[in-house]
Amino acid sequence: DAGVTQSPTHLIKTRGQQVTLRCSPISGHKSVSWYQQVLGQGPQFIFQYYEKEERGRGNFPDRFSARQFPNYSSELNVNALLLGDSALYLCASSPTSGVQETQYFGPGTRLLVL
Amino acid sequence: DQQVKQNSPSLSVQEGRISILNCDYTNSMFDYFLWYKKYPAEGPTFLISISSIKDKNEDGRFTVFLNKSAKHLSLHIVPSQPGDSAVYFCAASGANRDDKIIFGKGTRLHILP
Repeated sequence: DAGVTQSPTHLIKTRGQQVTLRCSPISGHKSVSWYQQVLGQGPQFIFQYYEKEERGRGNFPDRFSARQFPNYSSELNVNALLLGDSALYLCASSPTSGVQETQYFGPGTRLLVL
Repeated sequence: DQQVKQNSPSLSVQEGRISILNCDYTNSMFDYFLWYKKYPAEGPTFLISISSIKDKNEDGRFTVFLNKSAKHLSLHIVPSQPGDSAVYFCAASGANRDDKIIFGKGTRLHILP
């Protein structure tokens, strides 16, 4: 079975631009979570979506938004990019939204903002 | 303020010996603890977890110990193998359905030949 896939793998943007990152969960998984991992830190929770509804949001500004589609894939959008948005963006899927469900991570999208 | 702390950025252990990775937390409401392992260019992979009602959980070469009074947990790997070289993240969450997982900064484990 295919794992969690993310696209693109790498991305370079300039300050002020907008970016869209994509995630396809494991087949049968209905929950998708997004994390930001900056260099030297652990993953930090951004959003969780379950059954196309937002179930949680971390401490990120409104420039960050996300959505989940009927096929449970998800997009993360970041507007007005800042240098500090440079990070590895990880997507994780799980069968349900329960916090004790094992989350399966994709390889991430590495975003560099110049 | 970091709620999950991994104070050792890196650790080197001889192959065949025991690796012990430590993690401290500050939030007494945390109810569930996990360890993830991450190789370069890959996403984190779930390794082992423990609920606060237990003080030990074992899975093959991996054992997690939880000391609630000290707000401390540790991951033991015995015996250490070259493939164990990776970054290990400690993570914690509360008991409520909407609680989210808080990760530590990670510890890079090097297994020496």
